Amino acid sequence: EVQLVESGGGLVKPGGSLRLSCAASGFTFSSYSMNWVRQAPGKGLEWVSSISSSSSYIYYADSVKGRFTISRDNAKNSLYLQMNSLRAEDTAVYYCARDWNYWGQGTLVTVSS
Amino acid sequence: DIQMTQSPSSLSASVGDRVTITCQASQDISNYLNWYQQKPGKAPKLLIYDASNLETGVPSRFSGSGSGTDFTFTISSLQPEDIATYYCQQYDNLPLVTFGQGTKLEIK
Repeated sequence: EVQLVESGGGLVKPGGSLRLSCAASGFTFSSYSMNWVRQAPGKGLEWVSSISSSSSYIYYADSVKGRFTISRDNAKNSLYLQMNSLRAEDTAVYYCARDWNYWGQGTLVTVSS
Repeated sequence: DIQMTQSPSSLSASVGDRVTITCQASQDISNYLNWYQQKPGKAPKLLIYDASNLETGVPSRFSGSGSGTDFTFTISSLQPEDIATYYCQQYDNLPLVTFGQGTKLEIK
């Protein structure tokens, strides 16, 4: 069974940093591109970043480019999102997703002083 | 960037009603469209892929149609458990995907 479990969310001050993780199981992680999507409280879904299976191709939404870094460790079956220079508008539930038919349960990031 | 315009933003219907949601793309996306259901506090669940294909295990009362720029999502007979927010998503330009604004469906 495919499972994606996010962790690392929490409360952080504006300008701070946070690193999210997504632990994958039930499939050959190294064969799949992976994605991060976020959802601000009471709002819709926003694609954040994607990474190819071998990390050769990486993409970011304009709203996070230069501040967020996506990475993966295929040996550890894990996906990461390093978030720097956080802003109030980054407050959201962050989901990792594979192929758009498998999603994790999400982890909440709150940016507030 | 491809923009997705979804309507209505909210909808109230009775059990047994036929419900329709539309999504319009800002440019031709062929049939590269997904429909999701999201219940409060949960991750989105894929219902329809490639505009009209039902994901495994999804009840047949859900359906999708369209191609190019205009798409429709239909629930043929609304059930109480269908109360949720529904989103369309285009994936014509992977991995840069965009979502519609969502339709909140309520029981009348």
